Amino acid sequence: QSVLTQPPSVSAAPGQKVTISCSGSSSNIGNKYISWYQQLPGTVPKLLIYENNKRPSGIPDRFSGSKSGTSATLGITGLQTGDEAEYYCGTWDTSLGGVVFGGGTKLTVL
Amino acid sequence: QLQLQESGPGLVKPSETLSLSCTVSGGSISDSAYFWGWIRQPPGKGLEWIGSINYGRTTYYNPSLNGRVTLSVDTSKNEFSLRLSSVIATDTAVYYCARHRSLYDWFDPWGQGILGTVSS
Repeated sequence: QSVLTQPPSVSAAPGQKVTISCSGSSSNIGNKYISWYQQLPGTVPKLLIYENNKRPSGIPDRFSGSKSGTSATLGITGLQTGDEAEYYCGTWDTSLGGVVFGGGTKLTVL
Repeated sequence: QLQLQESGPGLVKPSETLSLSCTVSGGSISDSAYFWGWIRQPPGKGLEWIGSINYGRTTYYNPSLNGRVTLSVDTSKNEFSLRLSSVIATDTAVYYCARHRSLYDWFDPWGQGILGTVSS
């Protein structure tokens, strides 16, 4: 069981918006940066959002991140079939003394 | 453009040690702004951080691996390595190396990953 809790799956139609939540505690999300990773089927995880809400170069602004208290949210607008992937949140946990990841959320674009 | 590439035996027997290396190209492993990390992903499952090391050989390990992990760095070869001892079947996973911005921050880029299988 992951320290960070994500819904196992979400779905939405092309062109719509979806949000993926990541719930933690004061020992992780509450006091540390959150990052998000996209893993397309059969590929390597790719950094999507870092330091809560920043996008690396090349990541479209359809992807956004936010954090409030001990929870974080990844938002994706203008959904495309190419967005179908597993999405992971990650951060440092001061109680465990290590990096923790959420269990992952599978996005289906119907 | 920074690139990372894992290498090592893909098959190891139970109770033995899994040894993998990650070669960094397009940048220096001695960059003091970064750590260098290992993350694994069992088949069909999620990501698990294994540990991170910096050029000064400061290391941090996942406590759940119960002291079975040793990371090292070779600045002359621009590579860092992972040793996981006393492996069991549940250590079977794709092992990724990645640049780690700091202990509290992001991983990017990631290597292509290498499947490490524990089997007799």
